[in-house]
Amino acid sequence: DQQVKQNSPSLSVQEGRISILNCDYTNSMFDYFLWYKKYPAEGPTFLISISSIKDKNEDGRFTVFLNKSAKHLSLHIVPSQPGDSAVYFCAAYVSGTYKYIFGTGTRLKVLA
Amino acid sequence: DADVTQTPRNRITKTGKRIMLECSQTKGHDRMYWYRQDPGLGLRLIYYSFDVKDINKGEISDGYSVSRQAQAKFSLSLESAIPNQTALYFCATSEGQGANQPQHFGDGTRLSIL
Repeated sequence: DQQVKQNSPSLSVQEGRISILNCDYTNSMFDYFLWYKKYPAEGPTFLISISSIKDKNEDGRFTVFLNKSAKHLSLHIVPSQPGDSAVYFCAAYVSGTYKYIFGTGTRLKVLA
Repeated sequence: DADVTQTPRNRITKTGKRIMLECSQTKGHDRMYWYRQDPGLGLRLIYYSFDVKDINKGEISDGYSVSRQAQAKFSLSLESAIPNQTALYFCATSEGQGANQPQHFGDGTRLSIL
């Protein structure tokens, strides 16, 4: 039972354009959502997060949107840069459960 | 220097062997985790520990054991390795739980069991 789903395994975007990475979830009890970025041969690194009581959080070029009614989360990267090429994981958790549920990842390739 | 260090980075071994993966951290975090990553499955939690005396099973703990030797050290053992334990293993730490207290990951151990 995959509670957090990233249905697009890969995405290619031209440099300077917007990248939109999507994540769907099934558990309405999730309190927080996070995005991690992973380069080859490195561990995931935290990128941005959002609480379930908000619908948007912005940090520089990165914005996360949360649509609770649709149980949908998206990460927008504007403008996209070649250094953004990586695998992006969304993750979610319920306070008190002490564990994070990760999606399967989306590989983003930003073309110069 | 890396805040979360995993050793070894790569390991190839045979079925039935005992394997230990080690993780040490300099972040001073109480919480430590072990995950495995398989193609198409994302990261799945094996074990987690909130302090030296508190160790808990994750969603896929069968075939694995852990030891929290100190606040800074958390080891994962495969007592008798089998081929379907071939995967990329990550250790992570966190100060707590919350949107502003995300997990910090090591660079992973690639384990191949023949």
